[in-house]
Amino acid sequence: GENVEQHPSTLSVQEGDSAVIKCTYSDSASNYFPWYKQELGKGPQLIIDIRSNVGEKKDQRIAVTLNKTAKHFSLHITETQPEDSAVYFCAAHKMDSSYKLIFGSGTRLLVRP
Amino acid sequence: GAVVSQHPSWVICKSGTSVKIECRSLDFQATTMFWYRQFPKQSLMLMATSNEGSKATYEQGVEKDKFLINHASLTLSTLTVTSAHPEDSSFYICSARDLSFEQYFGPGTRLTVT
Repeated sequence: GENVEQHPSTLSVQEGDSAVIKCTYSDSASNYFPWYKQELGKGPQLIIDIRSNVGEKKDQRIAVTLNKTAKHFSLHITETQPEDSAVYFCAAHKMDSSYKLIFGSGTRLLVRP
Repeated sequence: GAVVSQHPSWVICKSGTSVKIECRSLDFQATTMFWYRQFPKQSLMLMATSNEGSKATYEQGVEKDKFLINHASLTLSTLTVTSAHPEDSSFYICSARDLSFEQYFGPGTRLTVT
């Protein structure tokens, strides 16, 4: 089955700096890689995703890159703001009826004002 | 966008009682829903996959007789924690998958067993 590893577990950055979170996956059949933001006491919210047919995707201050050969993908947040502080989870799965979304262990991001 | 609701958002119950949590897809039909459990400062752990009209598939180590799942319609799945104990206290999150295999998460239910 799929195994997703995520680093770092905690990340503290100064407001305005960039933050990078990295994940690796084990199953080469996985073709969908979402990123979720979870605030305290709430469910995870999808912030960006990437499919295996592209290498990079951007949405304003957030970008995700995918290296299928190395089986790793990364989340990049630029110009961080205090409201970006949350726990971020990466995940991976294959977009068909048989696969389940497998989460990384999470990264607690703190943006210092 | 697609919305998934959960009810209740939090519940406190006494040890030995049962608690039911509902998960609804509000604006789409979900043939498959998932139940996750999350302990403090940990990741989401998949408990079971709920398919409409059939039995749920449980992950290894999850007691199916303790965590009863029913998916009676395309918009509703329920999780019943039977004979709850303090160690069952956790944050339970459901998600629903649409026809394009994208998953949408509910806001979670915090269960505290005293």
